[in-house]
Order: sequence, then structure tokens, then C-alpha cells
Amino acid sequence: QQPVQSPQAVILREGEDAVINCSSSKALYSVHWYRQKHGEAPVFLMILLKGGEQKGHDKISASFNEKKQQSSLYLTASQLSYSGTYFCGTEIPSNTGKLIFGQGTTLQVKP
Amino acid sequence: DTGVSQNPRHKITKRGQNVTFRCDPISEHNRLYWYRQTLGQGPEFLTYFQNEAQLEKSRLLSDRFSAERPKGSFSTLEIQRTEQGDSAMYLCASAETEAFFGQGTRLTVV
Repeated sequence: QQPVQSPQAVILREGEDAVINCSSSKALYSVHWYRQKHGEAPVFLMILLKGGEQKGHDKISASFNEKKQQSSLYLTASQLSYSGTYFCGTEIPSNTGKLIFGQGTTLQVKP
Repeated sequence: DTGVSQNPRHKITKRGQNVTFRCDPISEHNRLYWYRQTLGQGPEFLTYFQNEAQLEKSRLLSDRFSAERPKGSFSTLEIQRTEQGDSAMYLCASAETEAFFGQGTRLTVV
């Protein structure tokens, strides 16, 4: 039931792009993306509802393919501040808002 | 809006002792969640409140765990007879649509 994230880890240079994928075996109502830095709380990035919409702010965007039960997070022109662990949280249709999180993707951006 | 607040931030306890954590959610949020996170893993769902009603509890949660949310405001999570396997970060989140997490309580059972 836990979504699978890929890759597990990414190392980038500043200015490079990255894509993080999240795949579920269950039909999804929504996908939530978070970034967590070491020793800190997960910070909400964005939510995608079923319908195949794409969202974004600044240089971070995401897509959700409801039919494939997959979501992707796109990081463009990465900055040092993007370093951290990215989690996707998947919500199945239940109206509780309960999230099942993937195992995380660790992103390290180097100067 | 001061965000989600959790206390204490750190707790070290001896095996077999009881511990209680507190979560103060964002005031206008009706939904409150408890998650547990161990090193290198994503947060794992424990339980969910809609106002004061506890509507879902993880099947993985043993009877030693109990949570309350009196009057639909703050929430407490109690672990009785702690075991070393309970050592983890306990995260609280509140939500209208997207969930906002508190800083967590790191529990170490020795």
C-alpha cells in the first residue's frame, strides 16, 4: 500500500534539474508532496487532486496521472535550499485526509 | 497563526514508563493527525481526529497507545509501558485540505 518513490537519492549541482517519481498500486484521490530537512518537520509543498492537473510555484512543479496512479515532482534550476528529503503522501478515496507516505527521496544540491 | 506546536520536543524515558505528548493544532483546523517517523522512513499514520471524534486508528497501533482530543482543540498521545521499539519521532499534523506538521517529539526509550 505504501507508494514507491524513485530514485532513492539524487545528487545535483546548482542549476540542474531533477524529477522525483511516486507510484501507487491503489487508486488515488490526491497526492501531497513534502520536503523535510534533517531534524525538522516535513514542510508542505503542494497538493494535486485527481484529474491529471499540474501545479507549480517558483521552480517546483508536479503532475498527477490518475490513470497510472503516478505523480512526479519537477525541480528546475535547483538551488542549495532544495536539499532535503522529499516525500509523497498518497490519499485514497476515504474523506479522512489520511496520507500514506513513500520512503522518501534524498536530494543533495552542491555548489 | 503560530503553526502546529508540539511538546515536549525531546523525551528520554526508561523502558516500562508511561509518556504523554501534546499537540496544539492550527486553531481553525478541524482535522488532526498523529504520525510516527523512524530514521530513513516516511511518516507512518497512527490516528485521525475530526474535531473531538477519533475516526480512525492504525491497525499497527498497539493497545498501549491512546490518543485524545478533548473539545476538539489540543490533542494528547499517551504510550503506556514504553518499549525500545517505540523510539521514534512522533509528528502531529492539522489540516483543512493540506496537512501542516509540527516539529515533532523525539522519543528515546532506554
